[in-house]
Amino acid sequence: GQQLNQSPQSMFIQEGEDVSMNCTSSSIFNTWLWYKQDPGEGPVLLIALYKAGELTSNGRLTAQFGITRKDSFLNISASIPSDVGIYFCAGQDTSGSRLTFGEGTQLTVNP
Amino acid sequence: EAGVAQSPRYKIIEKRQSVAFWCNPISGHATLYWYQQILGQGPKLLIQFQNNGVVDDSQLPKDRFSAERLKGVDSTLKIQPAKLEDSAVYLCASSLDRHNARMRQKLFFGSGTQLSVL
Repeated sequence: GQQLNQSPQSMFIQEGEDVSMNCTSSSIFNTWLWYKQDPGEGPVLLIALYKAGELTSNGRLTAQFGITRKDSFLNISASIPSDVGIYFCAGQDTSGSRLTFGEGTQLTVNP
Repeated sequence: EAGVAQSPRYKIIEKRQSVAFWCNPISGHATLYWYQQILGQGPKLLIQFQNNGVVDDSQLPKDRFSAERLKGVDSTLKIQPAKLEDSAVYLCASSLDRHNARMRQKLFFGSGTQLSVL
């Protein structure tokens, strides 16, 4: 099956700092999605990307669909304590098969 | 709008016992998914339904796992018999429209059932 490599695995930052995380795949993807999961809850969709080079924002979050179609990036600006959680990338390859999820980036924000 | 409902929230069983999970998707969502999320990993698809038909069950361990979606609404996932490695959170998700790829990819997840097999 498809493999997504998500990095970093975990991040510890101070409130107000900017955060960057990324996801790479071994094959070309048609769609990239970014989800956030809070403890004890299911993942919630943050941003969806559909075209190579696409840059999309959702408040303080910005995500990009990589030009090679094999990677995606998520940036969080001016982090706040409620940004704490696990961020997952998910993608769908050109065969239109199931969504594949990355292993997640655990974000901790210190006040 | 009500979200995806799952029950129970927690379940503790001994190995070789049976367990069932229930999911009620968002009203009007034709596609329903069951995911398994092992601690420290991302969700992994077990089975996908379109209405009451199975679209993808290639990653479902069929010797012990079964799922059904009678009448194309609620769904149950069963494990019989459970093994230690089945300890995980079982997430149900739904999406709106099978024929619109972008809508189909936008999954709405329930809070999950945390299963511990002792």
